[in-house]
Amino acid sequence: DSGVTQTPKHLITATGQRVTLRCSPRSGDLSVYWYQQSLDQGLQFLIQYYNGEERAKGNILERFSAQQFPDLHSELNLSSLELGDSALYFCASSVEGGPTTGANVLTFGAGSRLTVL
Amino acid sequence: DAKTTQPPSMDCAEGRAANLPCNHSTISGNEYVYWYRQIHSQGPQYIIHGLKNNETNEMASLIITEDRKSSTLILPHATLRDTAVYYCIVNGGYQKVTFGTGTKLQVIP
Repeated sequence: DSGVTQTPKHLITATGQRVTLRCSPRSGDLSVYWYQQSLDQGLQFLIQYYNGEERAKGNILERFSAQQFPDLHSELNLSSLELGDSALYFCASSVEGGPTTGANVLTFGAGSRLTVL
Repeated sequence: DAKTTQPPSMDCAEGRAANLPCNHSTISGNEYVYWYRQIHSQGPQYIIHGLKNNETNEMASLIITEDRKSSTLILPHATLRDTAVYYCIVNGGYQKVTFGTGTKLQVIP
């Protein structure tokens, strides 16, 4: 158990639907990161939050949105789902990741596997 | 926009040392080198990181060249459970953390 909790573990839905993936970071971690990994593909960075504020953005589709709440948990919302959105979605957290230099080690959750039919 | 270059795949005999290279010729002074691995479809796992000096922990050793343009991750006695994709990442604490394609290490019995 890494300390990063992702729910649900598995999700099957239909095209056009909307889903929400949830991430609880490790205790004390301020940053949350979201990554998408399609079948046999690399990890694509989507977005990062630090202490409630958006910190960095990757190639996140407009149909996707995320937020980090005051208790530091984060949700990734995926809407108007397409077949190509089927993937593993990983959340990671770190203590740092804010506007400072220094080491920043990420701890990953086990992922949420989304299947769009 | 990964800033590292790694061989796509490597094999290593079980019980032997696995030496995984990483090229990061454009690394800047305050950027760290990190290594993670991903076993099958599990969440990536942190292995080790370093700035300038060589580092060792219970999992591996990290050797960084003096000019910091390349590094090597060493798994001293590879086991079948070390079969995974290994990612080398260069990152300053203020930057987005992007992963490249990594090296697929196959440990052979």
